Amino acid sequence: DQQVKQNSPSLSVQEGRISILNCDYTNSMFDYFLWYKKYPAEGPTFLISISSIKDKNEDGRFTVFLNKSAKHLSLHIVPSQPGDSAVYFCAASFGGSTLGRLYFGRGTQLTVWP
Amino acid sequence: SAVISQKPSRDICQRGTSLTIQCQVDSQVTMMFWYRQQPGQSLTLIATANQGSEATYESGFVIDKFPISRPNLTFSTLTVSNMSPEDSSIYLCSVANSGNTIYFGEGSWLTVV
Repeated sequence: DQQVKQNSPSLSVQEGRISILNCDYTNSMFDYFLWYKKYPAEGPTFLISISSIKDKNEDGRFTVFLNKSAKHLSLHIVPSQPGDSAVYFCAASFGGSTLGRLYFGRGTQLTVWP
Repeated sequence: SAVISQKPSRDICQRGTSLTIQCQVDSQVTMMFWYRQQPGQSLTLIATANQGSEATYESGFVIDKFPISRPNLTFSTLTVSNMSPEDSSIYLCSVANSGNTIYFGEGSWLTVV
């Protein structure tokens, strides 16, 4: 059973605008959340993470929001650039000694067009 | 950050054969992880490789099919045994650093024919 869900398989956004990628999870015990970007023929690249004790984390153009009551997180990319076109994966962990054991969503293909 | 190198990067294998994937990290890490991404699917954890002890396998994965070695703090191998077309996947090595970030290698793309 998929504990982390990305219900939008694809998203298309114009360059310069905001991209919002969504992720839902079912297990309230998840303690740490990460976003990865993946280009074809490459491994996932870490983007940004957030602990369950926070509701927002920002790093440059990337901001992750966490809504624990809704078991929902989102990744905002502002402004979007064509180089952001990739598959984005949301991942969750129970943290602590099990930090590296990640549960992934199926990914969202983001396309940023000029 | 951690630099993770995997070999082979890509291979085509005959069914019934076995293939060993190597993972080398540029720094010492306590735990290394092996994931699989089947076509069109999300990444799924196969096992956690700890130095000096047996690997811990996730539900649905067994040591006879995916034996793992972890001889030191910078290296691990995953063997995919007696391969079938269903084993065609990307196999990924990952590590967790002290900064609570998990890094992945480039992946090993296996096609079983």
